[in-house]
Amino acid sequence: GAVVSQHPSRVICKSGTSVKIECRSLDFQATTMFWYRQFPKQSLMLMATSNEGSKATYEQGVEKDKFLINHASLTLSTLTVTSAHPEDSSFYICSARDRAGGRYEQFFGPGTRLTVL
Amino acid sequence: AQSVTQLGSHVSVSEGALVLLRCNYSSSVPPYLFWYVQYPNQGLQLLLKYTSAATLVKGINGFEAEFKKSETSFHLTKPSAHMSDAAEYFCAVSGGRTSYDKVIFGPGTSLSVIP
Repeated sequence: GAVVSQHPSRVICKSGTSVKIECRSLDFQATTMFWYRQFPKQSLMLMATSNEGSKATYEQGVEKDKFLINHASLTLSTLTVTSAHPEDSSFYICSARDRAGGRYEQFFGPGTRLTVL
Repeated sequence: AQSVTQLGSHVSVSEGALVLLRCNYSSSVPPYLFWYVQYPNQGLQLLLKYTSAATLVKGINGFEAEFKKSETSFHLTKPSAHMSDAAEYFCAVSGGRTSYDKVIFGPGTSLSVIP
């Protein structure tokens, strides 16, 4: 099956610093990648849809200047949490949709645990 | 627009008993439906998916789900629970027609299996 990786798997940072999370599709090309945030004991909430070569589309209530998304290639999307604060601590999960025709499934990365001190 | 509800935030069953996790959806277009499982501090694993073919879908680990359009439901079942089935389960829906269709997740159901 298709594999999506995330790096790092876990990061701890000080308040006010920026953190970059990478999402890679390892064996397929992904025209579209999605970024989710999951707080403890809660469901996945879609933050933004990342399209290769164009600006990301953010969900309502998600600050685009705080959560910078770059989808520079068909296999890589990055999420940068700028000026992170303790309330940004969460589990961030990306997913990628295979651009091959007829694929309806999103493939999920293993997630990145962000802790802001 | 799509949405998903999951009845019961926590379900507890005895080992060997039937597992039934409920999911109801709302969709303005014919939906694609998914069930995912998540173990603590891990990502999501796809259990099964419905993409407008057979209404009874069989997945991994003995799980299956039936799409019922009249009831707008996609309940997940497993005949006999195993201890390793204890996890968080998410039902999800998408329009699925283009690369840009979003997958919307339900609130999740935590399954406990009692020995």
